[in-house]
Parts: sequence; C-alpha cells; structure tokens
Amino acid sequence: GDSVTQMEGPVTLSEEAFLTINCTYTATGYPSLFWYVQYPGEGLQLLLKATKADDKGSNKGFEATYRKETTSFHLEKGSVQVSDSAVYFCALRSYNTDKLIFGTGTRLQVFP
Amino acid sequence: NAGVTQTPKFQVLKTGQSMTLQCAQDMNHEYMSWYRQDPGMGLRLIHYSVGAGITDQGEVPNGYNVSRSTTEDFPLRLLSAAPSQTSVYFCASSYSQGSSQPQHFGDGTRLSIL
Repeated sequence: GDSVTQMEGPVTLSEEAFLTINCTYTATGYPSLFWYVQYPGEGLQLLLKATKADDKGSNKGFEATYRKETTSFHLEKGSVQVSDSAVYFCALRSYNTDKLIFGTGTRLQVFP
Repeated sequence: NAGVTQTPKFQVLKTGQSMTLQCAQDMNHEYMSWYRQDPGMGLRLIHYSVGAGITDQGEVPNGYNVSRSTTEDFPLRLLSAAPSQTSVYFCASSYSQGSSQPQHFGDGTRLSIL
C-alpha cells in the first residue's frame, strides 16, 4: 500500500542554519504530496503542497520539489528561525482513494 | 471562519466508559476523517467519510464508531474505552474532488484512559 518515510528526529539546528528534512514515498498512480507543520499544543497546518512531478511547493521560506524519479519530497529552508521549531509531517494523498497517508513526523528544534 | 471545531479539548475517562468526540466544520466539505496521533507513529486514520450517509474504515478502526448524518458533523464514538486508546485525536475535512485538496485540521482532543 501507499506509504511515506521521513527522517527521524529530532533535528537540532542553530538559528540561520540550512534545513533539510528528507521524505520519500511509495504510491501507485500519481499522488499529491504535502508538508504539514504542528506547533506545540496545536493541530496540523498545511505548510506547502505539490500536485504533479517537478512541481515546487513553497511557503514561509520553506520549499519542496516533487521528484517522481526518486519518489522524494524533501523539505528545505535556507535560514531557520527559532519560531520554526515544530514537528513537520510529510504526507501523500492517494489519487485512487483520497486518503491522506502521513509519515511519522520530524521534530525540529532551533536554538538562538 | 471557524473551520474545523473539535470538542472537548481534553477528557479523562475510566476504562469501560463510553464517550463521543465531536467534530464540526463550516466549509461545506464533503470529506471528513478522524486520526489518532501517538508518539513515534505519526497520524493514523481511524474512520473517514466521503459524504453524508457514507462512512468507511481506515487503518485503525477497532473500538471506534462513526456516523455522518449531516455534511457538517462527524462524531467519533468510543464504545468501551481502553488504556490503549489514550491518544490525541484529530478531525480533518476537505473537498473530496481530487487528491490535490489539502485537509484542514481541528485543534485536537487529548484523551486519557485510566
């Protein structure tokens, strides 16, 4: 079945460092890919999405490119801030079933 | 806009008790779903609905019931609470047409079973 694998955390960075959180997927057909962010004590918020191969999603300085050849959707940010500290979830939504499949989440901790 | 509203935010139950977690959305979304979030396991789908009167099981449906009598509401019922159901529960909704639609999440219900 469809699945999402993302790197385990926590990822610990200093402010202004470069961030990469790896995400790979397995799916039949052509899923849409998402990154969600969860701040402490809150629900999940959509961060960005990409719906077809080579699409780049971007928001708040974060970017991710839908790579069909490597089945990946890695999240990147050039300069992280303390306020980016949160848990990040990679997810895919199946074209066939509409179900949203999540990775296990990666906790990011940014220190001043 | 209220978006997706979940109640209660916190609940403590004793083993064997039953309760209903409420979820309502005001965006006229056809697709609604319930997830549980446990440490190290991400979010797992419990039940989902593609429209009023239609529900289906997700990845971990045992011990939970749902119904969808209206487009707006999608309650989750715990029939006989067990400690293994201690978790944070999230309700989500989206337009059902096409996989490109993101889901909108409520703020969650933190449930503890003693």
